[in-house]
Amino acid sequence: AQKITQTQPGMFVQEKEAVTLDCTYDTSDQSYGLFWYKQPSSGEMIFLIYQGSYDEQNATEGRYSLNFQKARKSANLVISASQLGDSAMYFCAMRDFQTGANNLFFGTGTRLTVIP
Amino acid sequence: DAGVIQSPRHEVTEMGQEVTLRCKPISGHDYLFWYRQTMMRGLELLIYFNNNVPIDDSGMPEDRFSAKMPNASFSTLKIQPSEPRDSAVYFCASLPGTSGYTGELFFGEGSRLTVL
Repeated sequence: AQKITQTQPGMFVQEKEAVTLDCTYDTSDQSYGLFWYKQPSSGEMIFLIYQGSYDEQNATEGRYSLNFQKARKSANLVISASQLGDSAMYFCAMRDFQTGANNLFFGTGTRLTVIP
Repeated sequence: DAGVIQSPRHEVTEMGQEVTLRCKPISGHDYLFWYRQTMMRGLELLIYFNNNVPIDDSGMPEDRFSAKMPNASFSTLKIQPSEPRDSAVYFCASLPGTSGYTGELFFGEGSRLTVL
């Protein structure tokens, strides 16, 4: 079953502008974690930000913030003040803690292009 | 601390040949994961280990694939015989086993396999 949905195959943003990358998830568990990873053209997977299902505050890490809307099961990534180096693939992922499994389920990704 | 180390970074082989991919997890991490990334299927979990024991191998595509973890610091993913459809980037990732840890997976840089 599809657990993570990223509906935007590609996004463009002007340098210095903010951009939101969408992610919705599907789980019946109460305890889970949501992650965003960046994959630049060099190929490595870079962890960006984490949100726990019980966290009341939206997670923030520098220019990255996670817009967590639990009732809507969405965990959108907001990148503020986009930079050329933000051009990359972005993956949303989820881990179900209640099942005891520790693997991450990944979405299909969104390719972000920052325009100078 | 050294991150997850994978080798080789690139492998080009001919159909029918045996391929062995190697991974050294971060010292002290109890979980090790093998993921495969393709354009068609995205990032998919192949298998993961906890304390060197395979926990979930439901993602291993077929009998041609096998994975081992003989000790806490080394794992292999073997494909025999290889086929062109096995061409992909194979990622190894590790995770601390600390109770209650809810953080991210730590990924290696990936092994890009091309089967001709």
